[in-house]
Amino acid sequence: DTGVSQNPRHKITKRGQNVTFRCDPISEHNRLYWYRQTLGQGPEFLTYFQNEAQLEKSRLLSDRFSAERPKGSFSTLEIQRTEQGDSAMYLCASSYDRGLVEKLFFGSGTQLSVL
Amino acid sequence: GENVEQHPSTLSVQEGDSAVIKCTYSDSASNYFPWYKQELGKRPQLIIDIRSNVGEKKDQRIAVTLNKTAKHFSLHITETQPEDSAVYFCAASFTGGGNKLTFGTGTQLKVEL
Repeated sequence: DTGVSQNPRHKITKRGQNVTFRCDPISEHNRLYWYRQTLGQGPEFLTYFQNEAQLEKSRLLSDRFSAERPKGSFSTLEIQRTEQGDSAMYLCASSYDRGLVEKLFFGSGTQLSVL
Repeated sequence: GENVEQHPSTLSVQEGDSAVIKCTYSDSASNYFPWYKQELGKRPQLIIDIRSNVGEKKDQRIAVTLNKTAKHFSLHITETQPEDSAVYFCAASFTGGGNKLTFGTGTQLKVEL
C-alpha cells in the first residue's frame, strides 16, 4: 500500500497521559495536513506542513498539541495531558504542491479514546 | 473563515435511482471543491473535485456542478448501487492559502435494494 499510513490505528489512554501519533505521507508529497474528526462531523483542519515547515495552526490546536515533521517526510502529532474532549479520530492527509490544484489523500486515521 | 453547509444529513434511495447532495459555502475566495466518500471505519476517499473555473464535471456515474454566483455546489450520483452507501462529505478551500479544506457535516447515503 503506497498511500498515507498512520500508526497506531487505535489508542486508548487515561486522562492526563501523553500520546503521540505518526503519519507517513505518500513519498513524493511535500505537504502534510492533520485533521480531527468527531462522530457525525466532517474533518476539521488542525495544522499543515510544507516540507519541514509548519505553516499554519488552527485555533482548535491548543498548547497541549504539538506537531513536527523534522525531515520533511513523516510527521508526529503529540497531545500532552490528554482530556476526554480530545477523544476523536485524528486524520493525516498529504498532497504534492506543484502550483496546481492539489488533491489531498487521507490516511485511515488514529482513533483516540481518552478514559 | 470559510463555512460549508451540507444537505441533507441522511438520504435513502432505491437502487437505480439518482441521489443529489447539496452544499453551500461562504467564502467567495474559495476556488477548489472536492467530494469525499467515507465508509464506516475507513479513510475519506476523494471521488471527484471541481475548480472554480469549471461549472460541471462528470466521471462515469458521478457528476459535480458549481454555481459560483450562488456559492452552491452539488454532487449527483446516477444509477445508484448498494456499494454507493457511505457518508459523503463536500469541502471547499482556497488553493492559494495552503489548500486547507473546510468540510461539510456529511450526508449518510443509503441505497436500498
